[in-house]
Parts: sequence; structure tokens; C-alpha cells
Amino acid sequence: AQKVTQAQTEISVVEKEDVTLDCVYETRDTTYYLFWYKQPPSGELVFLIRRNSFDEQNEISGRYSWNFQKSTSSFNFTITASQVVDSAVYFCALRSGYSTLTFGKGTMLLVSP
Amino acid sequence: KAGVTQTPRYLIKTRGQQVTLSCSPISGHRSVSWYQQTPGQGLQFLFEYFSETQRNKGNFPGRFSGRQFSNSRSEMNVSTLELGDSALYLCASSLAVIGTAVGYTFGSGTRLTVV
Repeated sequence: AQKVTQAQTEISVVEKEDVTLDCVYETRDTTYYLFWYKQPPSGELVFLIRRNSFDEQNEISGRYSWNFQKSTSSFNFTITASQVVDSAVYFCALRSGYSTLTFGKGTMLLVSP
Repeated sequence: KAGVTQTPRYLIKTRGQQVTLSCSPISGHRSVSWYQQTPGQGLQFLFEYFSETQRNKGNFPGRFSGRQFSNSRSEMNVSTLELGDSALYLCASSLAVIGTAVGYTFGSGTRLTVV
């Protein structure tokens, strides 16, 4: 069985603050894929990043960065200099073997001006 | 390139009725997955189809069913609706080769309200 835990239910920050969203996963497979999605109020899940289990390199894309650590089974997401438009629910997800995407419960991020 | 199209966007049904939701994947994508999203349970997997065959099924009662057509379009049906079926139903499409995890693109969802 696979499991994704996002312990932070809701985070509130003021614009320009940095914020880190935590994600811890569980799987018995050695090959797996991790994802982050953003869900704005419109409801659509917007793909942000995919990382496979063999690639532990951290990634930076503009104000977004991801820290993947197999030793702690974590795949954390940091937004630098947050903006109001970053307000959304963020989901971490895992897929391993022939199973389907398993999502965490999501973290609601509220960025105030 | 058109995205994933789900119709209708909103739906209100009465308990006991049945409903059919539609999903048109991105052109060329052969895999379609369905998820139910509720405030209490979060995102839960319903089923996944690849080339008209159901490949995976989540832990939902038999009232929930789906199918995929030869053009990859998919429908899901819920019979004998219950109040607890009120949710956002999301469809995702993927090129999906079995055993890999290429990107999933989600539609905007169908918000079903059962009264």
C-alpha cells in the first residue's frame, strides 16, 4: 500500500514571505513517482512537478523549489517570495508500480497582501 | 492543444436518480482516470481506463461505473444517487504506458450536488 501525508492542513503567510509545504510518503516499491499539483478555486488540478525515485536532485523553477530526500521519504515544496496568486490548495501525490495516483489531503495556502 | 474537457461543469440531482459524467481527454492520450474529491475524504481514485479496458478500480460501491470509448472519451455513471455522492469529480488524461507514470493532466471537474 502507498500513502502520502501532508501534515499541514492550512498555512497563512503574508506576501513576500517564503513558505514550505511538507510531504511525506510511504511505499514499498523501489521505483516510484512523486508529484505536486496546485488546485486554485476554479477546481482544476494544475501539474507542477514530477520526480522519479532515482532522481534526488533538487529542482528550482522560478520561485518554486522542491527538496526530495529518500532517506526521510520526503518531497517538500518551497515557494520563495510568495504572492497572492499562489493562494490555492497544494497536493502531493505518489504513484508506484502499477498502482494509481495516491494523493495527500492537501495543504491550503493563503497568501495575504 | 485542447485540454481535458469535462461536461457538465455543474449538476444538481435528486436522491435516487442516476447521473452520467463525460470526459474528453487530450488528443492522443489513451488513458483516463476518474477521482472523487470531497472535503472529508479528499481525492479518492475511482477508476482508470486504458484503450477501452478498465485497468484499475478504487474502493467504491458498484453504483459507480465507467467506460471508455474507442476515441478515448470516457463516461462515468452513478446510479441510485445518495447525498454523500455530492462531490467534485475530476478526470485526468495521460499517455500512460502501463508501469510508468508520465504526466497526468486534469480537467476542471464536474461538481455534482445531490439534494
